[in-house]
Amino acid sequence: SQQGEEDPQALSIQEGENATMNCSYKTSINNLQWYRQNSGRGLVHLILIRSNEREKHSGRLRVTLDTSKKSSSLLITASRAADTASYFCATDAATQGGSEKLVFGKGTKLTVNP
Amino acid sequence: EPEVTQTPSHQVTQMGQEVILRCVPISNHLYFYWYRQILGQKVEFLVSFYNNEISEKSEIFDDQFSVERPDGSNFTLKIRSTKLEDSAMYFCASQEIRNEKLFFGSGTQLSVL
Repeated sequence: SQQGEEDPQALSIQEGENATMNCSYKTSINNLQWYRQNSGRGLVHLILIRSNEREKHSGRLRVTLDTSKKSSSLLITASRAADTASYFCATDAATQGGSEKLVFGKGTKLTVNP
Repeated sequence: EPEVTQTPSHQVTQMGQEVILRCVPISNHLYFYWYRQILGQKVEFLVSFYNNEISEKSEIFDDQFSVERPDGSNFTLKIRSTKLEDSAMYFCASQEIRNEKLFFGSGTQLSVL
């Protein structure tokens, strides 16, 4: 299975603190993406990092990718109550003529307390 | 920003009934997907669709499931004879370029009684 697996499963922090979520996967990838899901809603794309990139920033988000360890981390700095959501990593398979699909992990449920 | 729209937002049906879930992907997108999420669990891939045919499907997507793009804008998922275990949130997604980000709809919550 190429599935990404996030840890921790749940994370509770205070507003203003940083939140770090990790993702591990099993196969070679073209890219790794992070998505956010508010309770009962659709997934929203946050950031995409390609297999030849090691770090990427977008606003308060910082993503790292270590292809040798098959792992990624998502850091949210200066968290806000509005960041409360589930966060998923998703990977595609870098195979010749391979899959187009993204495979999602189980997610990290982040709670930011005011 | 353009959106993927899904209807209905909620669907309640009796076991054994047929349901059709509808999606309008973003107009210039070429790749279309259905995913589902059972309450509290991970988002599972069902099927991908490109160039008017299924390009990949998962083990979940058995003979009871089918997809169509009947008129060049709508993208539908049909479940012929629903089972209790089909109860889930079903998400449609579209993608402009392969291996780029997906745009998801808000989902259809399907409840099979």
